[in-house]
Amino acid sequence: EAEVAQSPRYKITEKSQAVAFWCDPISGHATLYWYRQILGQGPELLVQFQDESVVDDSQLPKDRFSAERLKGVDSTLKIQPAELGDSAMYLCASRGLAEYEQYFGPGTRLTVT
Amino acid sequence: KQEVTQIPAALSVPEGENLVLNCSFTDSAIYNLQWFRQDPGKGLTSLLLIQSSQREQTSGRLNASLDKSSGRSTLYIAASQPGDSATYLCALPTGSSNTGKLIFGQGTTLQVKP
Repeated sequence: EAEVAQSPRYKITEKSQAVAFWCDPISGHATLYWYRQILGQGPELLVQFQDESVVDDSQLPKDRFSAERLKGVDSTLKIQPAELGDSAMYLCASRGLAEYEQYFGPGTRLTVT
Repeated sequence: KQEVTQIPAALSVPEGENLVLNCSFTDSAIYNLQWFRQDPGKGLTSLLLIQSSQREQTSGRLNASLDKSSGRSTLYIAASQPGDSATYLCALPTGSSNTGKLIFGQGTTLQVKP
């Protein structure tokens, strides 16, 4: 069964350092989403891609976060510099054009010290 | 603006009990509603998706219902087991299609005691 892949699964970094997360969606899925989930809360969207184009990045802190999906397949989310408040689970999801559901990856747990 | 609320935030029941988790939303013009399970420190597993034209969906011991007019959905778990212990999240796509981001509730953390 096809799955969304994410790496790394866990990341510990010091504040002010740069960190990057990678997501490989299910093959053929044109829509890719990055969500952030703070402990005890539901996930919130950071950025949505349709193929290689950004559809929604209204909640992305653009002074420190960036996201790209250069070839419309896999995607990278970067934080520079990381802050203590960035500690969270970062979830990637993808959806096919003819599908109703978003399929989620295992997430990357970020701890900023 | 769509807002999603889940009550209670936490629930503890003895094994074997039937239980109901609640999800309410403010805008009834929804496309579908999805229930997820999340184990501690893990990603989201989709449990059930109900289209706006449907009233309920069933999968094994799980049954999800949808009442758009009242802005409510419930997830019924029959004969609960310790393995059901997890956080359960409901979510709806924004707008009137399924292409937008999901708006999540804060989740209900369930503990089933042996």
